Amino acid sequence: KAGVTQTPRYLIKTRGQQVTLSCSPISGHRSVSWYQQTPGQGLQFLFEYFSETQRNKGNFPGRFSGRQFSNSRSEMNVSTLELGDSALYLCASSLTAQMNTEAFFGQGTRLTVV
Amino acid sequence: AQKVTQAQTEISVVEKEDVTLDCVYETRDTTYYLFWYKQPPSGELVFLIRRNSFDEQNEISGRYSWNFQKSTSSFNFTITASQVVDSAVYFCALSEVGTSGSRLTFGEGTQLTVNP
Repeated sequence: KAGVTQTPRYLIKTRGQQVTLSCSPISGHRSVSWYQQTPGQGLQFLFEYFSETQRNKGNFPGRFSGRQFSNSRSEMNVSTLELGDSALYLCASSLTAQMNTEAFFGQGTRLTVV
Repeated sequence: AQKVTQAQTEISVVEKEDVTLDCVYETRDTTYYLFWYKQPPSGELVFLIRRNSFDEQNEISGRYSWNFQKSTSSFNFTITASQVVDSAVYFCALSEVGTSGSRLTFGEGTQLTVNP
C-alpha cells in the first residue's frame, strides 16, 4: 500500500513568487492536513480538508491557501513568498477527520525562499 | 487553547541505556487524543502510538513503552535498551476533536542521540 506522496521534495523560489505543493494521500483516506515545520516555530498546523471541504484552518495569513480534489489529492499554495516561508511542509492523511485513526505523514516538501 | 510541552530539547545516551522522553499537555476538553511521532533525518513523521483520553492503560510495544497519567497531564515515552537506530527527533502531539474538524498540536520535539 503506497504511503503519502508529496511533490516536489525540494523547491527553491524567489521572494515574491508563488508556489504550489502537492499531496497524494493513502488510497481510501479522505482527510488531508498540512503542517509547516521551521526551526523557530516548530510544527504548526496550516489547514485540514475532508471531502473537498476545508474543515479547519490554523493561524496563517491569507497568502497560504489550499484545496482538495474529488480523488482526495490536495494542493497548497503560497503566494507572494517571503523569506520566512522557508520551511519543511508536511502533509498528513487519515481515514477520517476525527483523529480516531492515526495520521500518516509524507516526507515533506522542503521549500527554500531566496 | 491546547499546548504540549517537551521540556527536554536534546538527550544523549549510550547504546543499551534506557531513556524516557517527557511530555506534558494542556487542554480543556475531556475527549482528546495523544500521539508520539518519530522524525528521522529523512523528514517524514513516523507514527508510534495514539492514546485516547479515556484509556489510561500503559502500553508496551517491544522496546517502547508509554505512561499516560491524566492526573499530571503527562504522556511519557520510554525506550528500553536504546539502539543507534533510535536516534531521531521525537514529537508528542495532542488532538482535540471538535465539530470544526481536528488538528494536531505538537510539542517542540526532543532530539535523541544514541551513541554506540
